[in-house]
Amino acid sequence: EIVLTQSPATLSLSAGERATLSCRTSQSVSSFLAWYQHKPGQTPRLLIYEASNRAAGIPARFSASGSGTDFTLTINSLEPEDSAVYYCQQRISGWTFGQGTQVEIK
Amino acid sequence: EVHLLESGGGLVQPGGSLRLSCAASGFSFSTLGMAWVRQAPGKRLEWVSAINNNGAATWYADSVKGRFTISRDNSRNTLSLQMDSLGAEDTAIYYCAKEQGYRLPFDYWGQGILVSVSS
Repeated sequence: EIVLTQSPATLSLSAGERATLSCRTSQSVSSFLAWYQHKPGQTPRLLIYEASNRAAGIPARFSASGSGTDFTLTINSLEPEDSAVYYCQQRISGWTFGQGTQVEIK
Repeated sequence: EVHLLESGGGLVQPGGSLRLSCAASGFSFSTLGMAWVRQAPGKRLEWVSAINNNGAATWYADSVKGRFTISRDNSRNTLSLQMDSLGAEDTAIYYCAKEQGYRLPFDYWGQGILVSVSS
């Protein structure tokens, strides 16, 4: 099973700042990596697919990069509504999620 | 507009069974893979099971293999999850999710339904 490790566990930033989230996979997933945003009481929301493609309706302040085993999600100019848990997920072999990064807006 | 609506959750005793259903609309159901994903209290999202577009292929997480059975009825646009031998570790919100395409992520999710296993 491919293991996804996200860091940091928690990120506490002020509105307007940039958030950088990391996802590392235990073996190469090529570009078959996605990012989701999950707010309490809401359904998970797909942000990024195939490592760097924004899903429909996702604001441009969300961007992502990476391939192989190292991936990054960047949220530019944080807004209060970006407070959520962010998960990465691989799709090259089965389906596995990272443990999540909690983004808090101070 | 895509809609996924789960039903069938609730409280069940350890060792019991429950059947979840997901009614899908707004897309060509028979052309896409579907899956169930769960989130236990305070835990990460966990993929549970998936099924291909025609139901010929199914996959299960090790934690549910042999106890859960995924199926679909393309004539009724319905996805199901039969859960047997339930234990406390199966307590979670269960989400029905639609794949964006082959080897692509889940682009739409249902609102989720709570399954609680307790005596």
